[in-house]
Amino acid sequence: KNEVEQSPQNLTAQEGEFITINCSYSVGISALHWLQQHPGGGIVSLFMLSSGKKKHGRLIATINIQEKHSSLHITASHPRDSAVYICACGWDTDKLIFGTGTRLQVFP
Amino acid sequence: KAGVTQTPRYLIKTRGQQVTLSCSPISGHRSVSWYQQTPGQGLQFLFEYFSETQRNKGNFPGRFSGRQFSNSRSEMNVSTLELGDSALYLCASSLPSGSGRAYNEQFFGPGTRLTVL
Repeated sequence: KNEVEQSPQNLTAQEGEFITINCSYSVGISALHWLQQHPGGGIVSLFMLSSGKKKHGRLIATINIQEKHSSLHITASHPRDSAVYICACGWDTDKLIFGTGTRLQVFP
Repeated sequence: KAGVTQTPRYLIKTRGQQVTLSCSPISGHRSVSWYQQTPGQGLQFLFEYFSETQRNKGNFPGRFSGRQFSNSRSEMNVSTLELGDSALYLCASSLPSGSGRAYNEQFFGPGTRLTVL
């Protein structure tokens, strides 16, 4: 069974802190997505990874295919980063299996 | 380029009724996927369409159905609504992926929030 596990479920941080969110999956994948969801529901795709590392601004995503593990890092966190971050995995088609999400709150 | 649009954005129905939700993908995108999000179950895959064909279906009862038109627009229908169908329904579009090819990024619409009373 294809499963996706994410940790932690909740995360609070002070502005400026370095943040890491982890995602593990059980079966080899075609791609892993990191998504951001703000209150109100809209989902934004942050990264899509199949290997290695990607960086966009203060966000960095890495994936280790052998260990079936990915991390999302936020450097110099800011209150506007407060959102739910969701890891999702895909296998060959556009069907995605989602992690439970990490609720991040960054306080000034 | 316009993003993925979903209509309506909010909907209130009563038990037993049926509902149709619409999704217009980004121009040029041929694959549309539908997802249900509830506080209890999180995000779950409903179905995926490509070129008017359903390629994948999630573990939902037959009351949930969908279709895709020749212009890639997609609709999903839920018949005989139950209280538990209250959820945010999201659609996402992408260029098609295929066996052996790079997987494609999905672009999500704003969702339709369905409340069943």
